[in-house]
Amino acid sequence: SQKIEQNSEALNIQEGKTATLTCNYTNYSPAYLQWYRQDPGRGPVFLLLIRENEKEKRKERLKVTFDTTLKQSLFHITASQPADSATYLCALMMDSSYKLIFGSGTRLLVRP
Amino acid sequence: GAGVSQSPRYKVAKRGQDVALRCDPISGHVSLFWYQQALGQGPEFLTYFQNEAQLDKSGLPSDRFFAERPEGSVSTLKIQRTQQEDSAVYLCASSLARYNEQFFGPGTRLTVL
Repeated sequence: SQKIEQNSEALNIQEGKTATLTCNYTNYSPAYLQWYRQDPGRGPVFLLLIRENEKEKRKERLKVTFDTTLKQSLFHITASQPADSATYLCALMMDSSYKLIFGSGTRLLVRP
Repeated sequence: GAGVSQSPRYKVAKRGQDVALRCDPISGHVSLFWYQQALGQGPEFLTYFQNEAQLDKSGLPSDRFFAERPEGSVSTLKIQRTQQEDSAVYLCASSLARYNEQFFGPGTRLTVL
């Protein structure tokens, strides 16, 4: 069956450290992978998009990798801040589609 | 500029009532999506519009769910004869084109008693 797995346990780290979140998928061949941030009571906010032919993408303190062999994406936040505390969602999109298929998200808590 | 807005933000309905949820997308955005989000889960796709055309409604859970976007801008998601399992947050998103990043509204939290 098709699955997208994100760590359901919250990730709890100290301010200043690098947060690494994982997104694994099975039985999908996505053309794009997107990461979104969601705060309580709000809609998701787009962060980064990476294409299947790209290995890595960066934006300020954020970095995403995409390994289509391992079927995995890693999302890194360097020099983390308490304001980075939120739920982070990965989402896949197939080449011939427009649907975003979301994982269930990982909650990140950055302690001051 | 204005983002995606949704109304109402909260809706409480008695089982069996009909509800209508509104989405105002970003002006000029061709693509509009509706998602359903259960507590602790990621959003799940319901339906997709390109301008006024509903190109995909495969995610709608039952024929009690109906969506429209008659003039290619504002969209309404209607749920008839609401059931308790319809309780969720309903998110609307718009994008310039179907492969672009999606801009989400704040959602409507529907509670069916």
